[in-house]
Amino acid sequence: DAGITQSPRHKVTETGTPVTLRCHQTENHRYMYWYRQDPGHGLRLIHYSYGVKDTDKGEVSDGYSVSRSKTEDFLLTLESATSSQTSVYFCAISDRVGYYGYTFGSGTRLTVV
Amino acid sequence: QKEVEQNSGPLSVPEGAIASLNCTYSDRGSQSFFWYRQYSGKSPELIMSIYSNGDKEDGRFTAQLNKASQYVSLLIRDSQPSDSATYLCAVTLYGSEKLVFGKGMKLTVNP
Repeated sequence: DAGITQSPRHKVTETGTPVTLRCHQTENHRYMYWYRQDPGHGLRLIHYSYGVKDTDKGEVSDGYSVSRSKTEDFLLTLESATSSQTSVYFCAISDRVGYYGYTFGSGTRLTVV
Repeated sequence: QKEVEQNSGPLSVPEGAIASLNCTYSDRGSQSFFWYRQYSGKSPELIMSIYSNGDKEDGRFTAQLNKASQYVSLLIRDSQPSDSATYLCAVTLYGSEKLVFGKGMKLTVNP
């Protein structure tokens, strides 16, 4: 997907365990985003980053944290996974959103049991 | 809360027909508008962008924007079964480097 990869692609984890999802880009884009997609809710922004060590919360950030120590990597951590965090997680990147929109990664399907 | 609304659908059209997908948005300051296509189990893929009032055509796809009415639409001419997907409308908020998405409209094109 145009220089953006997410890992893992699928994960099953137990309630209460921490989970980290990784987004890696080779485009050197400034902006990176984490979304979750659920039936009936569409895409909802969890956290985003506008540069190394610069991050901010989205509309559904509770229970999630992020880190961006390098331009190319944006990590999403579920501090203590709950069943309500079962979802498909998409990472997206952009250089200039107003001109180019986002490019999405392939997604991570996370199941919390 | 800035919102983007799409008719929930689903929309079903016969092969060869015109499919019309609509979207309204609440932020009058929005400047850029995008349509994404998402096949089942896949990630969203950008298919059209539009920034000015009027029509923008790309092959069988036409995006239409009316900022006064805060309305953007996507027309798919000569619809094909391969167009069957969920279509997401996305809008930039004024002064923001984020997109706000509609919930999507599922389109089925019947052979």
